[in-house]
Amino acid sequence: AQSVTQLGSHVSVSEGALVLLRCNYSSSVPPYLFWYVQYPNQGLQLLLKYTSAATLVKGINGFEAEFKKSETSFHLTKPSAHMSDAAEYFCAVSDRDYGGATNKLIFGTGTLLAVQP
Amino acid sequence: EAQVTQNPRYLITVTGKKLTVTCSQNMNHEYMSWYRQDPGLGLRQIYYSMNVEVTDKGDVPEGYKVSRKEKRNFPLILESPSPNQTSLYFCASSPRGRGPDTQYFGPGTRLTVL
Repeated sequence: AQSVTQLGSHVSVSEGALVLLRCNYSSSVPPYLFWYVQYPNQGLQLLLKYTSAATLVKGINGFEAEFKKSETSFHLTKPSAHMSDAAEYFCAVSDRDYGGATNKLIFGTGTLLAVQP
Repeated sequence: EAQVTQNPRYLITVTGKKLTVTCSQNMNHEYMSWYRQDPGLGLRQIYYSMNVEVTDKGDVPEGYKVSRKEKRNFPLILESPSPNQTSLYFCASSPRGRGPDTQYFGPGTRLTVL
């Protein structure tokens, strides 16, 4: 079964510092992976997704993630944190059945990012 | 504007009082889904629908019902709500019936069951 693990439920960085949010997946086949962001009192917004094309995926707001099969990881990074990046971030993997990938998402437990001035 | 809407956004109710949370999308998407979000658990799928009149259980369907009579609407029904259904609920939709499409999420409905 597909699953994702997000290490660190809370991450705090200083404004201008590197953001690194960790996500490891478990999948028996090449996965489809997603990062979503949730700002306070809002729904989820897609940051980026990996669907077996380029291993380095660039998303919105300066975020990117690298798919590393050998490490079963899909960590999210941003070179320089901004105050507006404070939010909760979710890693997710597409579930699969006999027919292949489905639209069902298996989510990690989320990482709350705080950005200190 | 392409969007998924949910109503109500906030609801406080009492145990056993039937309620419906509506979800509507204006993107002509085939796939719609309901998730609940609980602290420390992330989002978990309750029910989904691949198309009109086609629905199926997700991972946590107990205590919930859904229907898909029209393509744009996918209401979530709690026949007899209980306090353990206090949660933040999200409706989502995506273009096709299957495949790793981007899912578009509604703004969420915060439900409290007393």
